[in-house]
Amino acid sequence: AQKVTQAQTEISVVEKEDVTLDCVYETRDTTYYLFWYKQPPSGELVFLIRRNSFDEQNEISGRYSWNFQKSTSSFNFTITASQVVDSAVYFCALSLSGGYQKVTFGTGTKLQVIP
Amino acid sequence: GAVVSQHPSWVICKSGTSVKIECRSLDFQATTMFWYRQFPKKSLMLMATSNEGSKATYEQGVEKDKFLINHASLTLSTLTVTSAHPEDSSFYICSAGKLAGVADTQYFGPGTRLTVL
Repeated sequence: AQKVTQAQTEISVVEKEDVTLDCVYETRDTTYYLFWYKQPPSGELVFLIRRNSFDEQNEISGRYSWNFQKSTSSFNFTITASQVVDSAVYFCALSLSGGYQKVTFGTGTKLQVIP
Repeated sequence: GAVVSQHPSWVICKSGTSVKIECRSLDFQATTMFWYRQFPKKSLMLMATSNEGSKATYEQGVEKDKFLINHASLTLSTLTVTSAHPEDSSFYICSAGKLAGVADTQYFGPGTRLTVL
């Protein structure tokens, strides 16, 4: 079985601060996919990134960056220079495939960016 | 990118009635769709996997007679909450898998908020 742990329930930061959201996963499979989703108050999930288990290269997209470390089974997400619009619940998730198997979600981290 | 729609986006019903929620993949065919449920301030929990042309596979603890799933075509899956009760009030999200080899991707719908009075 797969498991995703997001130990941080809620985080508050002041605008322009950097913030890192932690994600630890468990799976016995050697092939898997990791995801991050943003869920604003409207409820719709916004896809942020997908990473497969064979690609440990870290990624940067604008103010977002992701640190994937198989050695510690972690896939952390950093927002640089946070903005109020970043306020949302962020979910880390895992699947054994990119599209045709279920996605196991972490419990989510609620991020509040204070102006 | 691919789009998955849900209808309705929100629904309020009386206890004891049945509610049908539709999930459509708008620009691709999906042999597999998934239904998730999210309680307030909680995570998404998989309810069932919907396979086109066959019976859905339900997760442990999910009542298949209460949550009827039909995946009659490659672009449509429906979830019917039968004899709804207030405890069924939740946010229901579907997703559809788009098969594209190494680029397989699962797309999520915008969700349906169900309130049972």
